[in-house]
Amino acid sequence: DIQMTQSPSSLSASVGDRVTITCQASQDISNYLNWYQQKPGLAPKLLIYDGSRLETGVPSRFSGSGSGTDFTLTISSLQPEDIATYFCQQYDHLLATFGPGTKVDIK
Amino acid sequence: EVQLVESGGGLVQPGRSLRLSCAASGFTFDDYAMHWVRQAPGKGLEWVSGISWDSSTRVYADSVKGRFTISRDNGMNSLYLQMNRLTAEDTALYFCARVTIFGTIFEKWGQGTLVTVSS
Repeated sequence: DIQMTQSPSSLSASVGDRVTITCQASQDISNYLNWYQQKPGLAPKLLIYDGSRLETGVPSRFSGSGSGTDFTLTISSLQPEDIATYFCQQYDHLLATFGPGTKVDIK
Repeated sequence: EVQLVESGGGLVQPGRSLRLSCAASGFTFDDYAMHWVRQAPGKGLEWVSGISWDSSTRVYADSVKGRFTISRDNGMNSLYLQMNRLTAEDTALYFCARVTIFGTIFEKWGQGTLVTVSS
C-alpha cells in the first residue's frame, strides 16, 4: 500500500505570506496527486489535481508542483479565507490514500 | 447542479450493522465511479471504498475489507455502503464522493452522514 506523509502538520503565517506544504509518497506515483482544502464543518474542496492542474474556480494563488514521490502545494499570498486544513491524496486506478493533513492558520 | 445527499447514519452498537445511502442528482450517475470517504471526529480523511460505473470493480481500504460492501443502483441514481461488524474505530462522518472520468479525483462531495458506534 502507498503511504502519504505531509509536512508540516500545522503552520501559522501572516496575511500575504507565501506558504508551502509538502507531501511525500512512499513510492513513485507519477503525477497522480491531488490537493484538497477543508474548512471546519464542511466537505473537502478540490484545489489541484494531477500534481499541478488548477481546478476550475480556484484562485490562482494556489499552485501545485512535483512528480514521482515529492509534491508541493503553494499559496503565493495567504488570505484570511485560506484558513483551513489541506490534504494531499494519491490514486492508483480506484484506490486512494490521503495524507494526514496540514492545518493552516493566521499568525 | 450536482448534488450528493447521504443518509442512514446514526448510533449503533458495536458488532451491529448499518447501511448508508447516497442519492445523486444533477449528472449522469452511471458515467462515473463513486466512492465513500470517512472522517473520524477531529481527524483526517480516510478513503473507505470505491466502485466503478458498472459495478464490475469494487475496492476497499484494508481497515474495512471483509466487513463493508459497496454497491450502486444506476437506475435509482444511488450509492450504498453496507457496514457489518461495526467497531468504535468506524465512528466517523461518512462522505459520498464523485470522481472525475479521468481518475480518482474527488471533485464532488456530499455533506456527510455521521455514524457513531457505541454501546
